[in-house]
Amino acid sequence: EAGVTQSPTHLIKTRGQQVTLRCSPISGHTSVYWYQQALGLGLQFLLWYDEGEERNRGNFPPRFSGRQFPNYSSELNVNALELEDSALYLCASSPLGGEWPNTEAFFGQGTRLTVV
Amino acid sequence: AQSVTQLGSHVSVSEGALVLLRCNYSSSVPPYLFWYVQYPNQGLQLLLKYTSAATLVKGINGFEAEFKKSETSFHLTKPSAHMSDAAEYFCAVSVNTGNQFYFGTGTSLTVIP
Repeated sequence: EAGVTQSPTHLIKTRGQQVTLRCSPISGHTSVYWYQQALGLGLQFLLWYDEGEERNRGNFPPRFSGRQFPNYSSELNVNALELEDSALYLCASSPLGGEWPNTEAFFGQGTRLTVV
Repeated sequence: AQSVTQLGSHVSVSEGALVLLRCNYSSSVPPYLFWYVQYPNQGLQLLLKYTSAATLVKGINGFEAEFKKSETSFHLTKPSAHMSDAAEYFCAVSVNTGNQFYFGTGTSLTVIP
């Protein structure tokens, strides 16, 4: 069974540009989470999508947004990139449906974004 | 509000020695607690989780953790370190709202041969 897949694996962007990161959850999982792992800051929760809707959002500015498609895959969009957006962006999925937290969240390998 | 503090951003142990990675949490409600491991260039893998059942939780690869409410701690231990245990370890707390993990800043474990 394929795990959570993220693309691209690495990305270099210029300050002010926009970027889209993609995530495909494990088959059968309806929930997708996005986290930012910046150097020295640990993992910070960005967004949670379930059944195509945004369910929860972390403490990030509106230029961080995303969506979940009918096939449960997800995109994370970051507009007006800043240098401090350089980080590893991790996507996770889980088969949630009222069983929290007895179901496990499975993480992808991440997208390394570098803003120059 | 929930938060996690991991004491020691870097821990070094000799192969065969005890591994102890510390995690203290803050939560206004009964928490769920997790330990994840991240190997280089990989995503996070769940080691173990505490969900209000037994306070001593056994996980994969010989790791275990004990929930101590009085100390608000959830330290991760392994009796004998192996070279393959070298990785970044993250403690996380969650509550039953928002499906959101709050991660610590991580502890990098080095195993010395």
